Amino acid sequence: GDSVTQMEGPVTLSEEAFLTINCTYTATGYPSLFWYVQYPGEGLQLLLKATKADDKGSNKGFEATYRKETTSFHLEKGSVQVSDSAVYFCALSRGNNAGNMLTFGGGTRLMVKP
Amino acid sequence: GAGVSQSPSNKVTEKGKDVELRCDPISGHTALYWYRQSLGQGLEFLIYFQGNSAPDKSGLPSDRFSAERTGGSVSTLTIQRTQQEDSAVYLCASSLFFGEKLFFGSGTQLSVL
Repeated sequence: GDSVTQMEGPVTLSEEAFLTINCTYTATGYPSLFWYVQYPGEGLQLLLKATKADDKGSNKGFEATYRKETTSFHLEKGSVQVSDSAVYFCALSRGNNAGNMLTFGGGTRLMVKP
Repeated sequence: GAGVSQSPSNKVTEKGKDVELRCDPISGHTALYWYRQSLGQGLEFLIYFQGNSAPDKSGLPSDRFSAERTGGSVSTLTIQRTQQEDSAVYLCASSLFFGEKLFFGSGTQLSVL
C-alpha cells in the first residue's frame, strides 16, 4: 500500500538557517503530494502541494519539488524564522485535490531558535 | 464558527471505559473526516462522511470504533471499551465538498490509562 516516510525530528535550527525536511513516498501510479503544517495549539493547515512530476509547490517561502525518479518531495526554506516552529507533515493522495483521503508521514517537529 | 472545533481538547480515561469525541465542522461543509495521530506514527484515516451518503468506514481499526454525523453537521466519534493502544490525537477535518481543501481542527488528545 501507499506510504510516506519523513525524517525524524526534532530539527533544531537557528533563525535564518537553511531548512530541508526530507520526504519520500511509496505509491503506484501518480499520486499528488502535499505538505501540511501544524502550529502549536492549532489544527493542520495545507502548506503547499504538487500534483504531477517536476511540479514545484511553494508558499510562505517554503518550496518542494515533486521528484518521481527519486519518489521524493523534500521541503526547503532558505531562511527560517522563529514563527516557522511547528510540526510538518508530508502526505500523498490518490486524487489531485487536498480533500481526498490522505496518507501521512510521521511528522517532523521544527524548532527555530532566535 | 470560523474553524473546525473539537471537544474535549484533552481526555484521560481508564481502560475499558467508553469515550465520545465531538467535532463541529465549518458551517456549510458537506464532507467530514476523522483521522488519528498515534505517537510515533503518521496520521491514519479513520472514517469519512459526505452529505447524507453512507460513511466510508474503511479506516476504522476495530468494531469498538464508530462515528455518527447528525443532521449533516456535528459528528461524534465513539470508542467503546478503550484500550491503551487507542491513546492518540484524534483529528477532525471538513471540506466544502469531497475533493476540496481540508480544514483541520486542533484535535482531541486521548490518553487511556
